[in-house]
Amino acid sequence: ETGVTQSPTHLIKTRGQQVTLRCSSQSGHNTVSWYQQALGQGPQFIFQYYREEENGRGNFPPRFSGLQFPNYSSELNVNALELDDSALYLCASSLRIGYGYTFGSGTRLTVV
Amino acid sequence: AQTVTQSQPEMSVQEAETVTLSCTYDTSENNYYLFWYKQPPSRQMILVIRQEAYKQQNATENRFSVNFQKAAKSFSLKISDSQLGDTAMYFCAFVANAGGTSYGKLTFGQGTILTVHP
Repeated sequence: ETGVTQSPTHLIKTRGQQVTLRCSSQSGHNTVSWYQQALGQGPQFIFQYYREEENGRGNFPPRFSGLQFPNYSSELNVNALELDDSALYLCASSLRIGYGYTFGSGTRLTVV
Repeated sequence: AQTVTQSQPEMSVQEAETVTLSCTYDTSENNYYLFWYKQPPSRQMILVIRQEAYKQQNATENRFSVNFQKAAKSFSLKISDSQLGDTAMYFCAFVANAGGTSYGKLTFGQGTILTVHP
C-alpha cells in the first residue's frame, strides 16, 4: 500500500511568480485535500477534490487553484506569489470522511 | 464554523511516565469525528487516534487513549509509558460528517509541542 507522495520537497520562488505543487494520493483514495501550514501553526484547509471536482474550499483567494486527475493525483497552483505564501503545503488523501486522512510529507515553499 | 483550541503550547514528560494533552472544540454539528495527529520533525502528519462522536466509548490505540466528553466538547489525549519517539508536535483536529461547501474539511488546533526526556 503506497502512501501519499508530494513533490517537490522544497521550492524557492520569487514574489509574483507562479508555482505548481504535486500530490499522488494513497492507493484507492478518491478524495484529496490541500492544507497550508505556517511555521509553528496548525494546518489551514485550502480546498478539497472528490472525483476530479472541487467540493470544498477554505478562506483562500482565487489565485489558489487546483486539479484532480482521473488517477486521483492532484495539483495545487498558486499564482502571483506573495511573501505570506511561504509555508509548508500538505496534501492529504482519504477514502471516506471520518476514516482518517493520510498526509504526505509536504512541500516547503519559500517566497523571496 | 468550527474551532479547535489547544491551550498547552508546550509540554514535557519523563520517559515511561504518562502525559495528557488537552483539546476543546466548538461546533453546532451533532455528527462528527475527532482526531489526534502527530507531526515529528520529518513534517509528515501521522494519525494517532480517532473518535466518532456518536460513540460514547473512548478510543484506545496501544499506549494512546482519549477522554471524550461530548457535552463539554473536550477531547484530551493520554500517552502512557512515554517514549523518546513520542517527541513531536501534536494536533487535535475536527471534521464534520455533513455536506456543504466545507465537506471533509479538517479543522486543526494550534498544536502542542511534546518533549519526552530520557
